[in-house]
Amino acid sequence: GAGVSQTPSNKVTEKGKYVELRCDPISGHTALYWYRQSLGQGPEFLIYFQGTGAADDSGLPNDRFFAVRPEGSVSTLKIQRTERGDSAVYLCASSLGRGAGKAFFGQGTRLTVV
Amino acid sequence: GEDVEQSLFLSVREGDSSVINCTYTDSSSTYLYWYKQEPGAGLQLLTYIFSNMDMKQDQRLTVLLNKKDKHLSLRIADTQTGDSAIYFCAERYNDYKLSFGAGTTVTVRA
Repeated sequence: GAGVSQTPSNKVTEKGKYVELRCDPISGHTALYWYRQSLGQGPEFLIYFQGTGAADDSGLPNDRFFAVRPEGSVSTLKIQRTERGDSAVYLCASSLGRGAGKAFFGQGTRLTVV
Repeated sequence: GEDVEQSLFLSVREGDSSVINCTYTDSSSTYLYWYKQEPGAGLQLLTYIFSNMDMKQDQRLTVLLNKKDKHLSLRIADTQTGDSAIYFCAERYNDYKLSFGAGTTVTVRA
């Protein structure tokens, strides 16, 4: 696609539910990143994929968060037993190679846990 | 990650220059970046500077880097209403991880 696409753009869920957030990177981009942006804060790194594998998932806050990229393209961020503190904008980015500053960001998914 | 700090708000008159300041803590950062975020839009890379440079100019944008003080600034000349946005300073923590500040909200008034 022309840019990084994230769906849904908005998601409201009840506390305790499971959610999946999808990211379609730019075609051909091997690197994919997930960031979380809480209200009034800058984005915080969650996880980095190079191809199909998670090269660094050190930013995932706890074991309720998991992300996959099974075919090296689309990625899904999965959150189990959602909590109100998970409410944030989840940003996805992709780049052609491993270069954090060369990444293109999507518009994000705004997750609200009520 | 490392801490990146920015002032939270800046109000500027249309046509004036804007200066957004940032301090960072990791002296080994090789690249420092400025991103722009408009309402409902993703982060847009505006410009970046390599750590061995003191200054970089790109059209209306001027980046100044003081490595000794770990201070980075972004100057926007002839600020326009379309420049109203949140501006994020970021340092490259490693090859694939950026550490962002909290963002400076710039409001351009007529």
